[in-house]
Amino acid sequence: ILNVEQSPQSLHVQEGDSTNFTCSFPSSNFYALHWYRWETAKSPEALFVMTLNGDEKKKGRISATLNTKEGYSYLYIKGSQPEDSATYLCAFMDSNYQLIWGAGTKLIIKP
Amino acid sequence: SAVISQKPSRDICQRGTSLTIQCQVDSQVTMMFWYRQQPGQSLTLIATANQGSEATYESGFVIDKFPISRPNLTFSTLTVSNMSPEDSSIYLCSVSGPHQPQHFGDGTRLSIL
Repeated sequence: ILNVEQSPQSLHVQEGDSTNFTCSFPSSNFYALHWYRWETAKSPEALFVMTLNGDEKKKGRISATLNTKEGYSYLYIKGSQPEDSATYLCAFMDSNYQLIWGAGTKLIIKP
Repeated sequence: SAVISQKPSRDICQRGTSLTIQCQVDSQVTMMFWYRQQPGQSLTLIATANQGSEATYESGFVIDKFPISRPNLTFSTLTVSNMSPEDSSIYLCSVSGPHQPQHFGDGTRLSIL
């Protein structure tokens, strides 16, 4: 693939449920994979910067995994809360430090 | 991390006019960027703002339409010139150090009538 794809485009999850979504990216010229959370009326906030194949990072109830050989990363949210409602963006950084952004997954938590 | 102040936060403009967006950082930063997000689209890099020299524009963006200034390491402006409804977007400035994630301003939500 020549671009960064995120799926699903949007997701409705019941409060308390766990969820995950995907970022697919080129499997060549990999340097880093970034995850950001973008809440409405705020600026995007960096969640994780991942560089190593097999890496797993965690921040509270949110975690992410990375597979650079097959070109995907998963973001997991455990026990979703209303404050998790946001658009989650991933960005692929190539070996020239160029960032290519996905279109985001819009997550809506239903109370 | 750097504190980024971007203004205006939103504006509604008439077609054919121009708007200048300002981005102020509370510390000196090496790399400053300007992005656009059109409705339903991903973040798109417009240009890298270079201190003391002309900005580096991405494919599809030109200086006449999006002139950028960066007089020092803490400040940059983006002008959206001769606006049309297609320019309605969120415009974001961001800063980054080497091998660091991007830190964004709060964005400017621009609507063109």
